[in-house]
Amino acid sequence: ETGVTQTPRHLVMGMTNKKSLKCEQHLGHNAMYWYKQSAKKPLELMFVYSLEERVENNSVPSRFSPECPNSSHLFLHLHTLQPEDSALYLCASSQSALAGGDNEQFFGPGTRLTVL
Amino acid sequence: DAKTTQPPSMDCAEGRAANLPCNHSTISGNEYVYWYRQIHSQGPQYIIHGLKNNETNEMASLIITEDRKSSTLILPHATLRDTAVYYCIVSLKAAGNKLTFGGGTRVLVKP
Repeated sequence: ETGVTQTPRHLVMGMTNKKSLKCEQHLGHNAMYWYKQSAKKPLELMFVYSLEERVENNSVPSRFSPECPNSSHLFLHLHTLQPEDSALYLCASSQSALAGGDNEQFFGPGTRLTVL
Repeated sequence: DAKTTQPPSMDCAEGRAANLPCNHSTISGNEYVYWYRQIHSQGPQYIIHGLKNNETNEMASLIITEDRKSSTLILPHATLRDTAVYYCIVSLKAAGNKLTFGGGTRVLVKP
């Protein structure tokens, strides 16, 4: 596997379900990100992890819960979502300037989430 | 982060150069200009970035004005596969720094 992978690619869930999105980066980066892209809206940053610590939480509702167990893996745990949470959820990773990178972000293909 | 302004859409002919403008008049001295693109239903793809000097890579060239208040992304020979939304973003090059995506420019390459 190369680059940034995300699973599942598509997910349909009911409002009472609990599910998790998984992201894995194979680039040796030290920062990971979750973005949300709703229909006809710009990408919105949700969470940023740098060196496995959350450094940004962009006023995201608590029904979205991120987890970063190590620098290669990032999860987004979902529970009691609403239909308006249906969107494309994108994961990205980058290497910080302090570690010799230019902070360009590499994105995964996304998970298309539909909440019924 | 400084805000950017891009035209919402533009068409270009296959095989010709595509010049995508971006205004960032409030850019600060240590902010970089990044360009990304997003092909339909895929994750965004990094293209190029720069601070002051013009930059070129295998995908594109980035021309930044001397006052750094605007820039142009040049796709030298546009192909149908270059049809995408192109985002111009100004951002610090710091660890874990966020990218703020705007609406971008929807580029349609026509045969």
